[in-house]
Amino acid sequence: KQEVTQIPAALSVPEGENLVLNCSFTDSAIYNLQWFRQDPGKGLTSLLLIQSSQREQTSGRLNASLDKSSGRSTLYIAASQPGDSATYLCAVTAGANSKLTFGKGITLSVRP
Amino acid sequence: NAGVTQTPKFQVLKTGQSMTLQCAQDMNHNSMYWYRQDPGMGLRLIYYSASEGTTDKGEVPNGYNVSRLNKREFSLRLESAAPSQTSVYFCASRHWPGDKAEAFFGQGTRLTVV
Repeated sequence: KQEVTQIPAALSVPEGENLVLNCSFTDSAIYNLQWFRQDPGKGLTSLLLIQSSQREQTSGRLNASLDKSSGRSTLYIAASQPGDSATYLCAVTAGANSKLTFGKGITLSVRP
Repeated sequence: NAGVTQTPKFQVLKTGQSMTLQCAQDMNHNSMYWYRQDPGMGLRLIYYSASEGTTDKGEVPNGYNVSRLNKREFSLRLESAAPSQTSVYFCASRHWPGDKAEAFFGQGTRLTVV
């Protein structure tokens, strides 16, 4: 059974800091990995999708990397801003049944 | 461009009442999903539909039924609501299979069972 872990559960950093959010998964035979952002009381917004054949994806100040062999992905946020405060979730798809398995998320607070 | 639309956004039910949560997507996706989100438990899959005409159980299917009405719509029904079903419910869709299958989520239905 695929398990996805995100540690720590919460993180507080000062504005301007570069930071890395970690995601680990137990079954390395994944099809893809997706990072989401969730604001309080809102739905999930897709940030980046990394295909199994890719090593990284970039969107603006965000960069996500994937190391299948070690079962890890990282989301790098450059020059963090208070508006980046949210919960960040990763989800993996493994197997032919199309199910996404989620980590419990990392709640990020960026202090002005 | 609406994406994934869920109705209602909020609902309060009494124990034993029934209701149907509606989900519709306008992206021509073949796969659709229902998740629930609870504090400390994360997002857990209830049911999913890999393609029109098929549905399968996820991690926590007990107490729920689903209907894939057509390619656009996937509904979730609570036949006899229980307080343990108080949660936030999310619908998602994507095209599957494919490495590029990006999932999109609705804004959620916040359900309270009293």
